[in-house]
Amino acid sequence: AQKITQTQPGMFVQEKEAVTLDCTYDTSDPSYGLFWYKQPSSGEMIFLIYQGSYDQQNATEGRYSLNFQKARKSANLVISASQLGDSAMYFCAMREVGYSTLTFGKGTMLLVSP
Amino acid sequence: GAGVSQTPSNKVTEKGKYVELRCDPISGHTALYWYRQSLGQGPEFLIYFQGTGAADDSGLPNDRFFAVRPEGSVSTLKIQRTERGDSAVYLCASSFQRNTEAFFGQGTRLTVV
Repeated sequence: AQKITQTQPGMFVQEKEAVTLDCTYDTSDPSYGLFWYKQPSSGEMIFLIYQGSYDQQNATEGRYSLNFQKARKSANLVISASQLGDSAMYFCAMREVGYSTLTFGKGTMLLVSP
Repeated sequence: GAGVSQTPSNKVTEKGKYVELRCDPISGHTALYWYRQSLGQGPEFLIYFQGTGAADDSGLPNDRFFAVRPEGSVSTLKIQRTERGDSAVYLCASSFQRNTEAFFGQGTRLTVV
């Protein structure tokens, strides 16, 4: 079974609107971390936001917030006030306790139109 | 520079040849990771170094792949007898410690013809 599932291959949003990118995960470990990365066409993976499994509050970083629903095993990324520069691939990833490495989903391509 | 640096940015090689990909991590970062990203996929883990030693090489697909980090800084991923299926973007990342945020380089796009 896939550990990270991103069901949206592509998403379209108009500039200044909010958009939610879905991510569900599968783990039996009680301790884990969830990450979102942005990958523009240049190829670099840019860290956006982190949520620990024991964090009581949803993580926020500027225009990015993570809608963490532990019981549903979902960690959706919300981007508010989309900008043209937000057009990129977005990857959800998980790191389980005892592992130092990240497991990535297949990504969602976000296109922001004027 | 302040970020993770990978060279070359692009590499085209013939099937059967040997290639080396270099990663220069952020200064002071003890953990270094190699990932491989095929077209339309997310990055897949290859190997993780803590200092000079390979702490986890479970992601290396076969014995044609090898990586070193002799002085605990720069790392080289080595691929012998390259195959067309090795074509991908090879990403390197580093982090200050084992479980802290990982910063990625821009990757090396390897094309085997």
